Amino acid sequence: ELKVEQNPLFLSMQEGKNYTIYCNYSTTSDRLYWYRQDPGKSLESLFVLLSNGAVKQEGRLMASLDTKARLSTLHITAAVHDLSATYFCAVGGAGGTSYGKLTFGQGTILTVHP
Amino acid sequence: AAGVIQSPRHLIKEKRETATLKCYPIPRHDTVYWYQQGPGQDPQFLISFYEKMQSDKGSIPDRFSAQQFSDYHSELNMSSLELGDSALYFCASSYGGNSYNEQFFGPGTRLTVL
Repeated sequence: ELKVEQNPLFLSMQEGKNYTIYCNYSTTSDRLYWYRQDPGKSLESLFVLLSNGAVKQEGRLMASLDTKARLSTLHITAAVHDLSATYFCAVGGAGGTSYGKLTFGQGTILTVHP
Repeated sequence: AAGVIQSPRHLIKEKRETATLKCYPIPRHDTVYWYQQGPGQDPQFLISFYEKMQSDKGSIPDRFSAQQFSDYHSELNMSSLELGDSALYFCASSYGGNSYNEQFFGPGTRLTVL
């Protein structure tokens, strides 16, 4: 059974600082997604990572995927208050009938304060 | 651009009642996924449909059933509701039946069981 673990689960950051959220998963997959969720809202897609070594950047966020280590990172640069949200990584199924479903990590609650 | 539509957005039911949640995928998307997100939890996969056939099943209670119709919209039927069914229910859609193709999430239906 695929397990996805994020750390840290809670992250309190000062504005202007850098930090990294880690996402480890237990079985082979080459499809990993990062989502942002504001309280009570839907899941907003941030990054789609489909190959080993993939790196994508959008604004102050950068995501990478290492399929050999079964690890993805979400790096935050010079955090601003607007980045405060819950961030989820999600991994695609390994194959067969589970090919489509996503298994989510526990989520990282990010709070950016002055 | 058109997004995934879910209705209703909010639903309040009593224990043992039934509820029907509806999902209208993005036009031309042929795959629908249902996820349940409890308070403070990560989204959990319930069930998916590809081209109107069930493609995968997750931790969906026997009291729940779902189907995808000829116009690709999907309905999640929930019977004998329990307090623990209170959650956000997300529908996501994609094209092609596998998670190489990004899943786009709807706004969710917040179900409260009293």
